Amino acid sequence: QVQLQESGPGLVKPSETLSLTCTVSGGSISSYYWSWIRQPPGKGLEWIGSISYSGDTNYNPSLQSRVTISVVKYKSQFSLKLSSVAAADTAVYYCARFVTYGDSFDYWGQGTLVTVSS
Amino acid sequence: DIQMTQSPSSLSASVGDRVTITCRASQGIRNDLAWYQQKPGKAPKRLMYAASSLQSGVPSRFSGSGSGTEFTLTISSLQPEDFATYYCLQHNSYPRTFGQGTKVDIK
Repeated sequence: QVQLQESGPGLVKPSETLSLTCTVSGGSISSYYWSWIRQPPGKGLEWIGSISYSGDTNYNPSLQSRVTISVVKYKSQFSLKLSSVAAADTAVYYCARFVTYGDSFDYWGQGTLVTVSS
Repeated sequence: DIQMTQSPSSLSASVGDRVTITCRASQGIRNDLAWYQQKPGKAPKRLMYAASSLQSGVPSRFSGSGSGTEFTLTISSLQPEDFATYYCLQHNSYPRTFGQGTKVDIK
């Protein structure tokens, strides 16, 4: 059974960089695609970006200038960096998997709340 | 970007009711649509993929239909564990976009 687990600081100061890691267990990180999705408190879901096992990325244009997603295969991890954060970036951040380029997300992490506040 | 419009945004229903949720895409997305169920404090769970394919382990009272720009999720007989928020997702093109959600609560 594939499991995804997000980790990282729960509190980030405004203007700083949010950094999260997703660790994949119970399956290979290779041959799949990986995404970050977020959900502000009480609101809907927003796709942040995706990365293939070979490192090809796609980002949401609304966040593209601030987002970097990378993969570290030997650790079975992929990461999210979001720079210059503001209060509007406060959200539960989820990592998720999809099997092929045109697929939907089948496995999700439990999510981690990141609060942007001084 | 492809806009996904869900309706209604909320509904109240009773156990045993038939419930239908609609998702409209701003342009054609073939059948590249998935439905998710989310309960408070939990990650979304995929119910349907490719518009009408039932995810393994999901009860058969859930069904999906549609192609192109209009899609529906139907719960044939609402059960207590089905009270949740439902989202559609288009995965036809980037950026991936979700509907705004439909909250199903108890009448």
